[in-house]
Amino acid sequence: GENVEQHPSTLSVQEGDSAVIKCTYSDSASNYFPWYKQELGKGPQLIIDIRSNVGEKKDQRIAVTLNKTAKHFSLHITETQPEDSAVYFCAASNGGNMLTFGGGTRLMVKP
Amino acid sequence: NAGVTQTPKFRVLKTGQSMTLLCAQDMNHEYMYWYRQDPGMGLRLIHYSVGEGTTAKGEVPDGYNVSRLKKQNFLLGLESAAPSQTSVYFCASSSGGIQYFGAGTRLSVL
Repeated sequence: GENVEQHPSTLSVQEGDSAVIKCTYSDSASNYFPWYKQELGKGPQLIIDIRSNVGEKKDQRIAVTLNKTAKHFSLHITETQPEDSAVYFCAASNGGNMLTFGGGTRLMVKP
Repeated sequence: NAGVTQTPKFRVLKTGQSMTLLCAQDMNHEYMYWYRQDPGMGLRLIHYSVGEGTTAKGEVPDGYNVSRLKKQNFLLGLESAAPSQTSVYFCASSSGGIQYFGAGTRLSVL
């Protein structure tokens, strides 16, 4: 089955700096890669996703890049703000309704 | 539109007690899931359902049972709770591959 590894497990940045979270996946058939943000005391919420037919997708301050050859994808957050502090999860799917999640990254943005 | 609603939000059980967690979704989704989240271990799939009347095992199904008698509801049962089942439980439903999560149930088993 699919295996998704996520790094780093914790990340601390200064407000205004950029943050990058990386994930690798094992199943070459995976073609859908969402990112979820989990704020304290809440359930994960989808913030951005990418499908295997594109290499990059942007939405304001967040972007995701995908390297199918190397089987890794990354989340980039620019101009970080305190409200970006949360746990972020990457996931992978082969196109069905099942997701395999990474272990999560706790992002702390220091004012 | 409430999305995915989980009840209860918190629960404390003694070892050996039983309980049922309820998940309800109002988005008419076919797929529903139960995950547990433990510190440093991300989200692990317990059971899932691909439609009314169907259930299937996920990654960590032991000690849990589920039922999907109605399309909008997915129940997770613990017949004899153990301290190892202390965790935060999340329900989700999906459409088009996107999963929508509830706010979670924090369960402590003493």
